[in-house]
Amino acid sequence: DSGVTQTPKHLITATGQRVTLRCSPRSGDLSVYWYQQSLDQGLQFLIQYYNGEERAKGNILERFSAQQFPDLHSELNLSSLELGDSALYFCASSPFGTVNEQYFGPGTRLTVT
Amino acid sequence: QKEVEQDPGPLSVPEGAIVSLNCTYSNSAFQYFMWYRQYSRKGPELLMYTYSSGNKEDGRFTAQVDKSSKYISLFIRDSQPSDSATYLCAMKAGTYKYIFGTGTRLKVLA
Repeated sequence: DSGVTQTPKHLITATGQRVTLRCSPRSGDLSVYWYQQSLDQGLQFLIQYYNGEERAKGNILERFSAQQFPDLHSELNLSSLELGDSALYFCASSPFGTVNEQYFGPGTRLTVT
Repeated sequence: QKEVEQDPGPLSVPEGAIVSLNCTYSNSAFQYFMWYRQYSRKGPELLMYTYSSGNKEDGRFTAQVDKSSKYISLFIRDSQPSDSATYLCAMKAGTYKYIFGTGTRLKVLA
């Protein structure tokens, strides 16, 4: 168990809908990263937050947004969902002062029908 | 061309074999190189990371980086059925952006 929690574990929704995925980092970790993992694309970095502020953006679509709250939990919002958004979404956190150690949560499996 | 290439496998080996997993990359700016293990239906777990070229050993695992060839390897000695998983290489460009390989599925047969 990495200490990173993600909810929900599974989510099934229809095209055009909006969903929110939640992540709680390990105790004391200030950085949160979001990733999308699909069979054909592998693990794709979406966005990173550090202590409430956005630090880096990867291949995140405009329909997706994220934020990190004062208690350091983070939410990833996915809107106008398309079939191609079906994937595993992982959150990871890292300790202060390190950028190479990332601890991943168990993921949220999103199915868009 | 993808920035990081990794053979998807599956790679099947008998228990006790030495396993070699590899990634190639195209961006010479990568300086940090990581290996993750991912069991089915679980999140990736960091195994090792190395900085620049050279070798790093941790128990049965050895990570090797050859920056001149843009090639990294993970060796697993005395492989066990519990090593059966997908292995992902990852590289860091800049301070925060991570690039992952698509992963190699490994099966260690008892």
